Amino acid sequence: GAGVSQTPSNKVTEKGKYVELRCDPISGHTALYWYRQSLGQGPEFLIYFQGTGAADDSGLPNDRFFAVRPEGSVSTLKIQRTERGDSAVYLCASSPGLPNTDTQYFGPGTRLTVL
Amino acid sequence: AQSVSQHNHHVILSEAASLELGCNYSYGGTVNLFWYVQYPGQHLQLLLKYFSGDPLVKGIKGFEAEFIKSKFSFNLRKPSVQWSDTAEYFCAVNALNYGQNFVFGPGTRLSVLP
Repeated sequence: GAGVSQTPSNKVTEKGKYVELRCDPISGHTALYWYRQSLGQGPEFLIYFQGTGAADDSGLPNDRFFAVRPEGSVSTLKIQRTERGDSAVYLCASSPGLPNTDTQYFGPGTRLTVL
Repeated sequence: AQSVSQHNHHVILSEAASLELGCNYSYGGTVNLFWYVQYPGQHLQLLLKYFSGDPLVKGIKGFEAEFIKSKFSFNLRKPSVQWSDTAEYFCAVNALNYGQNFVFGPGTRLSVLP
């Protein structure tokens, strides 16, 4: 069946621009996660949605980062006034949503490059 | 805050050699533990997980991991590696009192020589 998909696969932007990254989770999965992975590092948690609401956004690095999931399915990660340090692979994962018993299924990621 | 360390940055083995990748975490409460693998050009996928019960858990492709609570460790093992095991391996911890905030280790790159 279809897995988690992310678009675009690659995004190149200039410093100061606004970007949106999209995640389509597995159908029926209520939990959705965003991570950021820098070169040579493991994924770094950003935000977790349960349904439409952000249940834990403690990983968002600052107020330039924002994410939404208005209908409890597709999610968009939004980054304002991008900086070169935002360059990374942004990963999305989804899970069936049972608290603390989750297996997360990851998408292929969006590679963001800020010039 | 939770943290996860993985002992080796890069491990190089010949086929049929035994593998052990170390993982330690820094949280004293109840945890869920995971190993994920990322094969070249593919996305992260779950190898195995520990939630409770038998501390020795078996995963896909002949991998297993042992949870040793007293050592805060969750080491990954495989008795005989294959060239197709070449990948990046990530340990991850979810501390139950921290909700759904998963913390990943920095990863260990495994290269298996044919």
